[in-house]
Amino acid sequence: QLQLQESGPGLVKPSETLSLTCTVSGGSISSSTYYWAWIRQPPGKGLEWIGSMFYGGSTYYNPSLKGRVTISVDTSKNHFSLRLSSVTAADTAMYYCARHPSPPSSGWSYFDYWGQGTLVTVSS
Amino acid sequence: QSVLTQPPSVSGAPGQRVTISCTGSSPNIGAGYDVHWYQQLPGTAPKLLIYGNNNRPSGVPDRFSGSKSGTSASLAITGLQAEDEADYYCQSYDSSLSGSVFGGGTKLTVL
Repeated sequence: QLQLQESGPGLVKPSETLSLTCTVSGGSISSSTYYWAWIRQPPGKGLEWIGSMFYGGSTYYNPSLKGRVTISVDTSKNHFSLRLSSVTAADTAMYYCARHPSPPSSGWSYFDYWGQGTLVTVSS
Repeated sequence: QSVLTQPPSVSGAPGQRVTISCTGSSPNIGAGYDVHWYQQLPGTAPKLLIYGNNNRPSGVPDRFSGSKSGTSASLAITGLQAEDEADYYCQSYDSSLSGSVFGGGTKLTVL
């Protein structure tokens, strides 16, 4: 059974960089079929797609966050990472990692497996 | 402001049928892109409920069904049960944003 687990600091100071890792178990992140994504949910609010990546290096970012977001992969550790720079209180959210079973740009892509999420608070 | 519009809340009594709408526009649902639905129980991660407009992943009861027409989609839940009380989100692809977009979510209350 595929499992995804987010990890990283729960508190980040304003203007600093948020860094999270998603470790995949029960499957290979290097699969040619799947893409991997980050999604966030501010407290009491809805879901927002942050970006996605393929193990080969292709990345896709939400234009509203572009310029601040970097998603990368470490196939040797079977994990992928999120970096969000210049954070503000508006970046306080539950951050989820998830899997796409098809390319994000395919028009029919969805998220079939999710991690349990990790809460990141931006505060001094 | 979400790209896809959902009613903030719906409610129904046990055993009843409820529907949740998801309204988009020409760059997303109206362009023919698939709509997917997620169920988020309190304090948990979202779970895929419907994919490709009307397909259920293994393990999802057939009480849940999806449909799409024009620039809108709907999730229907029949035989409502207390355990269905959750937040429900629709999701699609938006060509103007070149990425996935979600609805704002609908809270289902079982009376």
